[in-house]
Formats: sequence, structure tokens, C-alpha cells
Amino acid sequence: DAGVTQSPTHLIKTRGQQVTLRCSPKSGHDTVSWYQQALGQGPQFIFQYYEEEERQRGNFPDRFSGHQFPNYSSELNVNALLLGDSALYLCASSLVGVDNEKLFFGSGTQLSVL
Amino acid sequence: GNSVTQMEGPVTLSEEAFLTINCTYTATGYPSLFWYVQYPGEGLQLLLKATKADDKGSNKGFEATYRKETTSFHLEKGSVQVSDSAVYFCALSGWTDSWGKLQFGAGTQVVVTP
Repeated sequence: DAGVTQSPTHLIKTRGQQVTLRCSPKSGHDTVSWYQQALGQGPQFIFQYYEEEERQRGNFPDRFSGHQFPNYSSELNVNALLLGDSALYLCASSLVGVDNEKLFFGSGTQLSVL
Repeated sequence: GNSVTQMEGPVTLSEEAFLTINCTYTATGYPSLFWYVQYPGEGLQLLLKATKADDKGSNKGFEATYRKETTSFHLEKGSVQVSDSAVYFCALSGWTDSWGKLQFGAGTQVVVTP
């Protein structure tokens, strides 16, 4: 049973560029949440997708956008990258109605913006 | 808004020592409280949770009690092992938040030496 998988593992971009990160949820899960974890900090909630719609959003600018596909996988897009966007981006999945507060996290994508 | 404060690390202990990691929170209503653990090179894993006042969450020898009067959720383990070396995150889910939105503390690194 595959857990949450994220790709790529590492990514280097320059300021102003755009980036797309990908996440496949744990088998059977239907909800995906994205988090940003800066070095030495706890994860910060970006947004959550369920039934292909953004359900809740944290305090992140519109440069951060996402998508969920019919197979429940998800993408996180960040436009006009800033140096401050350098962080570990985590994807977490869960299943509505079944201990839905239990999140399963992937190992993350380390994004470096130069 | 909601917030979580946990003790700074690193916390360095000898094997079989007693571990306490303090966590306090600020939230309206009745949040759910969690401890997540991040082992080196792995994604965050749910360690334990408590969903109402005076609940005790427990797992793998770790315990934490939801204390509403002191707004605390301290993590304890009576006898740590080298394999408990990890970063521990206290988190809450606000009672008006969706299930995937967690507010994390900054994390506490625990190092257990033989």
C-alpha cells in the first residue's frame, strides 16, 4: 500500500519563475492538503482540496494555486517565485468520514529559490 | 487566531530517561489537539491525539492529556530509546476548521544518546 508520494524530491528555481509540485495521496484517500515548512519552523497550512475544489485556504497569496484531479492527485503551483518561497512543501492526505483528522504526510519537495 | 507554542530544542537525553515536551495553545472553542513526529528523512506521522478536555492520547509509550484549564497538551514518555530521536510537533485543529487544516508549533528536536 503506497503512502503519500510527492515529486520531485528537490527543485531549484530562480526568482520570478513558476513551479509545479505534485502529490499522489495514500490509496483510498480523497482529500489533499498542502503545507509549507520553512527551515526550523512548523508546517503552515496553504490550502485543501476535496472533490476537485479548494475547500479551505490559509494565509497565502494568490500566487499559490492548486488543482485536484479526478483520481484525487493534486498539484501545487507557485507563480512569480520569491526568495522567501524557499521551503519544504508537504502534501497530506486523508479520507472524509473515516478518522478524517488523521493526516498522512509525504516526505515533501524541497524548493530552493535563487 | 489559533496558535501553538512548544518548548525549544534540542532536547538531549540519555536512553531510559524521562521525556517531557511542553505545548500550550491559544484557540477559541474546543480544538482537537495532536502530536506529530518527524523521523529523519521521513514525513510527519501522527503520534497521538485528543479531541476533548481531559482526554488522554497515548501511543508507543507516549502520552499527552488535553488540559483545557491550562490550555496545555504536554507530551511525556517514561523511558526513551535511541529510536525516539526525532522532531516532535504539537498541533491543533480549530473547531470551525476543516479536518485537514492544522496549526503547528515550531517543533522540538529530541536527541537520545545511548
